[in-house]
Amino acid sequence: GAVVSQHPSWVICKSGTSVKIECRSLDFQATTMFWYRQFPKQSLMLMATSNEGSKATYEQGVEKDKFLINHASLTLSTLTVTSAHPEDSSFYICSAWKGEGGELFFGEGSRLTVL
Amino acid sequence: GQNIDQPTEMTATEGAIVQINCTYQTSGFNGLFWYQQHAGEAPTFLSYNVLDGLEEKGRFSSFLSRSKGYSYLLLKELQMKDSASYLCAVKDSNYQLIWGAGTKLIIKP
Repeated sequence: GAVVSQHPSWVICKSGTSVKIECRSLDFQATTMFWYRQFPKQSLMLMATSNEGSKATYEQGVEKDKFLINHASLTLSTLTVTSAHPEDSSFYICSAWKGEGGELFFGEGSRLTVL
Repeated sequence: GQNIDQPTEMTATEGAIVQINCTYQTSGFNGLFWYQQHAGEAPTFLSYNVLDGLEEKGRFSSFLSRSKGYSYLLLKELQMKDSASYLCAVKDSNYQLIWGAGTKLIIKP
């Protein structure tokens, strides 16, 4: 079964609104989670590394004020797309390491469509 | 800079064997991963190599040569459901994952 779960799987919102995506590790604690974005027919692009109890580390070119990341517990990280615009429409995926040097498990992904 | 190279696209026939290569230049090495990603879905884990040699797991095998900065994923007895993108990723000295762009594998009957 899934070890990392994302919610929602699909979300459609109006331009200018904010959308929150949750990423949960189901049977392990994850001090670090990763958020990716993937546009159609393109590769995964790491957006940010979410650190439990501290600020997220954003990749170059990713607006931290637009993509708010909160990692308040060892099993939950959230990504909030603020003031979403159509160009933010994408497939957002989270992942987390399970165990020291273990596998990187991915959530199911969340497909965001901004109208 | 850090770089992962893999072919953009490959085509193979159902029942055949295909080898997807991955070469890397990274700052340090702490393991290499292969993931499968079907269109519209999140990646799923296939294999992890940290030592040189071949790791076999059913129809899929993964090989690593650290001295050559090279890995391959071998898929045997190809099935139509194997049509997907295959992603190579290397964990560098800072334990950051560096991703390749992925290889789209097309299986023909």
